[in-house]
Amino acid sequence: QVQMEESGGGVAQPGGSLRLSCVVSGLSFSSHGFHWVRQAPGKGLEWVTFISSDESRIYYADSVKGRFTVSRDTSRSTLFLQMNSLRPGDTSMYYCAVASPGLADYFLLWGRGTLVSVSS
Amino acid sequence: SYVLTQPPSLSVAPGKTATITCEGNNVGSKSVHWYQQKPGQAPVLVIYNDIDRPSGIPERFSGSNPGNTATLTISSVEAGDEADYYCQVWDVSGPWVFGGGTKMTVL
Repeated sequence: QVQMEESGGGVAQPGGSLRLSCVVSGLSFSSHGFHWVRQAPGKGLEWVTFISSDESRIYYADSVKGRFTVSRDTSRSTLFLQMNSLRPGDTSMYYCAVASPGLADYFLLWGRGTLVSVSS
Repeated sequence: SYVLTQPPSLSVAPGKTATITCEGNNVGSKSVHWYQQKPGQAPVLVIYNDIDRPSGIPERFSGSNPGNTATLTISSVEAGDEADYYCQVWDVSGPWVFGGGTKMTVL
């Protein structure tokens, strides 16, 4: 059974930083690409970033480009999201998700999420 | 950027059929995927590639994508189907784009 557990959320001040983690078990971590998707309170889903299985493809939403960095550690089956220069608009639940095989064009499985709140 | 438009809400009686639409420019040329999100829970993939169901998803859930409007159909609706539903496509402008979501209430 695949399990994905996010952590690292919390309260940060505007301009601050947080690092999210997503530990994955029950699947071959090195064979899959992963996404981060966020959801502001009471709002819809917004894709944030994608990293391919071999890290050759990394993409970011315009809203986070230059501020967020995605990475992965195969030895620990863990996905990371380094979030810098945080803004109040970054307040959201952040989900990690397994990318579909091949084109990675949809989100196969989702974690339960970790909540990030940016406020002074 | 590419836009997917969904109705904000839908109400359906138990046992009836719910149809949730997802409009986008020439969306029929793209693969549409659907997610169910129950209150306080993470999204779950219910339809991928327009019509395919992941294992564990009931046959009551089906999809179609014939033109400018993709649809998610839920037959014999149950109280447990009450949730938000999101459509999603991959588009070069996005690239991963979600619709605004439809809140389905079971009366």
